[in-house]
Amino acid sequence: DTAVSQTPKYLVTQMGNDKSIKCEQNLGHDTMYWYKQDSKKFLKIMFSYNNKELIINETVPNRFSPKSPDKAHLNLHINSLELGDSAVYFCASSQFLSTYEQYFGPGTRLTVT
Amino acid sequence: AQRVTQPEKLLSVFKGAPVELKCNYSYSGSPELFWYVQYSRQRLQLLLRHISRESIKGFTADLNKGETSFHLKKPFAQEEDSAMYYCALSGNAGGTSYGKLTFGQGTILTVHP
Repeated sequence: DTAVSQTPKYLVTQMGNDKSIKCEQNLGHDTMYWYKQDSKKFLKIMFSYNNKELIINETVPNRFSPKSPDKAHLNLHINSLELGDSAVYFCASSQFLSTYEQYFGPGTRLTVT
Repeated sequence: AQRVTQPEKLLSVFKGAPVELKCNYSYSGSPELFWYVQYSRQRLQLLLRHISRESIKGFTADLNKGETSFHLKKPFAQEEDSAMYYCALSGNAGGTSYGKLTFGQGTILTVHP
């Protein structure tokens, strides 16, 4: 009965590799988000999608590409990984774009070596 | 631009003592303010929002537009309140800020027995 799930939970990879993180929500929400939490626990939005349409695209390197195959999924693909990409990535969803209660996934800890 | 500042990275109190987690914001329009909490080994979740004016788990927060603050308070802290607390702001002016949550840096609250 998990509301927002992410896979994998941990991801360790080398610089230059390409990796994906998957997110799924079973709440029937229209809007999904990706956040990055850095080593100082600072949480910053990266992207949001509403009904599979990109709404928010913060200043994120274009090596990061979100993909939403349907309303329930928002995946994050990262090309040419760099050391600075090491962080915890959180997926979240909300019922509508204008509803601000967001439900968060457990996070994916990405370590780039 | 929207900005949220939580000046205290760490806050320690003893059980039964009052606690106040500070939050200041910067936003040109009329913001919506939230407190999110992350307990140990749990996911980030909404604690309360200013618009609902509720008391959740004994916590309250009042939006002070004059001081641009939204401090979180509890008169008698409990050990189970130990967690990471994030203050967050959502702009509702439309445009690129619509649906975007901006988080503060977070405050780790530790309640000692």
